[in-house]
Formats: sequence, structure tokens, C-alpha cells
Amino acid sequence: ETGVTQTPRHLVMGMTNKKSLKCEQHLGHNAMYWYKQSAKKPLELMFVYSLEERVENNSVPSRFSPECPNSSHLFLHLHTLQPEDSALYLCASSQGPGGADHLKSELFFGSGTQLSVL
Amino acid sequence: AQSVTQPDIHITVSEGASLELRCNYSYGATPYLFWYVQSPGQGLQLLLKYFSGDTLVQGIKGFEAEFKRSQSSFNLRKPSVHWSDAAEYFCAVGLFNTDKLIFGTGTRLQVFP
Repeated sequence: ETGVTQTPRHLVMGMTNKKSLKCEQHLGHNAMYWYKQSAKKPLELMFVYSLEERVENNSVPSRFSPECPNSSHLFLHLHTLQPEDSALYLCASSQGPGGADHLKSELFFGSGTQLSVL
Repeated sequence: AQSVTQPDIHITVSEGASLELRCNYSYGATPYLFWYVQSPGQGLQLLLKYFSGDTLVQGIKGFEAEFKRSQSSFNLRKPSVHWSDAAEYFCAVGLFNTDKLIFGTGTRLQVFP
């Protein structure tokens, strides 16, 4: 396996379900990200983990709960979602020294999980 | 407010034609600038980036971009488009005062044979 792998590719869930999205990176990077991609809107950064510690929580509702057990794995736990949460959820990783210099780091994206909330 | 604008939502070109995708930003200083491409069903891939120095940068797949400070622009160009270039293209701006990377809304490129 190479790059950034996301599972599942597609997910349909009801508003009362609990599900989890999984991301795994095989690049040896030290930072991982969750982005939300909705039609006709810019990519929205949701969470950033650097060295397994959450360093950014971009005002995301508590029905989204991230988990980063180690530097290679990232999860997004979902519960009681709303239909407007339907979107493509992208995981990314990067290797950076931290601080503002991380802005220079290339992001490597997975193919995403297409989520539909009914 | 700090922002990134890609004014063209959808562009259609013929294979072999030249291409220019526009990107403008609103920010008080020169930010870090990026172009990413997203093929159907895929994640985003970095095409090129600009931090400082030569304002014309070369990227992968034959793309280039030119930073114009006076116009706050970072337009992406390719002299001859291939059918495989059909994808969505995102401009992104790294703002060091907020430590954030902001993406534009994207431009979808369609290529006709």
C-alpha cells in the first residue's frame, strides 16, 4: 500500500447511526488532516493532528469526533449527523517542521469517503 | 477579509488548445501559493507551488503558474491541453498570520477531442 488510503469509499447512514471513517498514510508523515468537500464550496479544514496531538479544531460540531491513535492512522467518528453533513470527506497527510513552515508542506490526499446522510 | 477567488467555475477547451485558469487572492502580504488538481473520484494532487523568488514556476504535467504581485494573482497555464487534464483545479493560499491554508472553490476543466 502506498500513499493515503481511506475507507470506506462510500457510506450511507441515517441520522441516528454511528459510523467511523478511517484513514491510513504510508508516507511516514507527521501530520494528518480531515477536510470536508461540499459542492460549490471551498475545502473546509476540520481537524489537524501533528505528532498525534490535535492542533486545530476548526469550529466543527461535536457530532464529528476525530481520533489519531498513532502517526499513521486517523479516524473520524460520526454520530447523529444531519443531511447537510453529506459531503466528500478527505484525509490528507504532510511532513513538516511545524510552526508557520508547515504551510509550505505539500498535502497528500486520499480519495475520500463520499458520505450521504438520509 | 482574506480570501481566494477562482472566478471561472467551469471551462471547456479543445484538446491541444492553450489553457489559463485564474486565481486571485486578498491578503496584505505575499502568501504561499499552490495549485492542486483533483481527478474524478480522486483526492487532490499538488501541481506546483510558489513561496518566493522567480515569479514563474514550473509544475508537474506540463503546467506552469505566474505570480503577479500587482494583480494579486497566481494564474495556472498550460500551452497545450491533453484530454487527461480534464479535472477540477484548486488554487490555495497559505496565510502565515492565521497559519491556515485556504482553498478556492475550484474550476472544473472539460476537454473536448
